[in-house]
Amino acid sequence: QSVMTQPPSASGTPGQRVTISCSGSTSNIGGNYVFWYQQLPGTAPKLLIYRNNQRPSGVPDRFSGSKSGTSASLAISGLRSEDEADYYCAAWDDSLSGQVFGGGTKLTVL
Amino acid sequence: QVQLVQSGAEVKKPGSSVKVSCRASGGTFGTYGISWVRQAPGQGLEWMGGVIPIYGTANYAQKFQGRVTVTADESTNTAYMNLSSLRSEDTAVYFCARDLRGGALAGSDAFDIWGQGTMVTVSS
Repeated sequence: QSVMTQPPSASGTPGQRVTISCSGSTSNIGGNYVFWYQQLPGTAPKLLIYRNNQRPSGVPDRFSGSKSGTSASLAISGLRSEDEADYYCAAWDDSLSGQVFGGGTKLTVL
Repeated sequence: QVQLVQSGAEVKKPGSSVKVSCRASGGTFGTYGISWVRQAPGQGLEWMGGVIPIYGTANYAQKFQGRVTVTADESTNTAYMNLSSLRSEDTAVYFCARDLRGGALAGSDAFDIWGQGTMVTVSS
């Protein structure tokens, strides 16, 4: 049982915009920055978003993050086949004194 | 650009310990924290703990307190994760990852650089 909740799956067709949600609590999302990672099959995770909505150098602006209260979202616009991957939200949790992850969302590009 | 290079796959017996290494190639750890994140087969990501090498301070997830030890050797730019009392549920890929910015606690920031992962199999 993950501390933060994500839908297990999401899907879209090429060119579409999809959104992945992440629900937490005041001890994690509500009081700290949210991060998003993309994990392609058989590879290490890759940082997509930090500080709620900042993109590291090299991450396309098709990816965007937002946060409101104890929830956060990752939006992917102009969906491409190479976006098919698992996506994880994460944040520091003050009660647990550690970084916690959502359960992950498997994105399928139809 | 710093890369994190991890040690190879391990097969261990239940009750034993495993030590996985993570070496910074092309640079040093600096003031950044190094964390360990594991992923059981077909499952999600789980933060275990981390260390700030320059200070030698470590912090751990409550779930792993007493069973995991994270250390670092600045002279070789290598971090280590030791997990004891292994059980079958510890079978997973173990990743090391670097904090995006230096901070007071490892794992308090996003992870911008990841190792390639080390498969640890616990089986009798």
